[in-house]
Amino acid sequence: EVQLVESGGGLVQPGGSLRLSCAASGFTFSTYWMTWVRQAPGKGLEWVANIKQDGDIEYYVDSVKGRFTISRDNAKNSLYLQMNSLRVEDTALYYCAREAYSSSWFEYWGQGTLVTVSS
Amino acid sequence: DIQMTQSPSSLSASVGDRVTITCRASQSITTYLNWYQQKPGKAPNLLIYDASSLHSGVPSTFSGSGSGTDFTLTITSLQPEDFATYYCQQTYHAMYFTFGPGTKVDIK
Repeated sequence: EVQLVESGGGLVQPGGSLRLSCAASGFTFSTYWMTWVRQAPGKGLEWVANIKQDGDIEYYVDSVKGRFTISRDNAKNSLYLQMNSLRVEDTALYYCAREAYSSSWFEYWGQGTLVTVSS
Repeated sequence: DIQMTQSPSSLSASVGDRVTITCRASQSITTYLNWYQQKPGKAPNLLIYDASSLHSGVPSTFSGSGSGTDFTLTITSLQPEDFATYYCQQTYHAMYFTFGPGTKVDIK
């Protein structure tokens, strides 16, 4: 059974940093693109970033470029999101998701970890 | 960047109704269009991929159609468990995925 479990969320002040993790199991992690999606409270879904199987290609939504870094450790079956220079508008539930093999739709999702940026 | 719009933003319907949700892209995305269902407090679930392919385990009451810029999600007979918010998503632009703003389906 595919499982994605996010962790690392919490309350942080504007300008601060946080590192999210996503532990994957039930599939061969190293063979899939992985993605982060966020959802601000009461709002819609926003794709944040994704990363290729071997980690050599990353893409980001414009609003996080230069502040967030996606990475992965295939030996640990883990996905990460390093978030720096956090802003109030980064407050959201952050989901990790597995993209379909050789395609881009998001087949499996975790339950999310909440990031709150507030002073 | 490719912008996605959905209409309506919300609708009220009864069990057994036929429901249609429209999604429009700001430029052609051929059939790189997916649909997700999200229930309150839960992660989204994939319903339809490539505009019209039904994801494994999704009831056949759901169907998708369209290509280019205009797409439709249809629920042929609304069930109690179908009351949720539905999002379209383009994956045509490999470096920049975008979701539509969502359509909330609630009980009339």
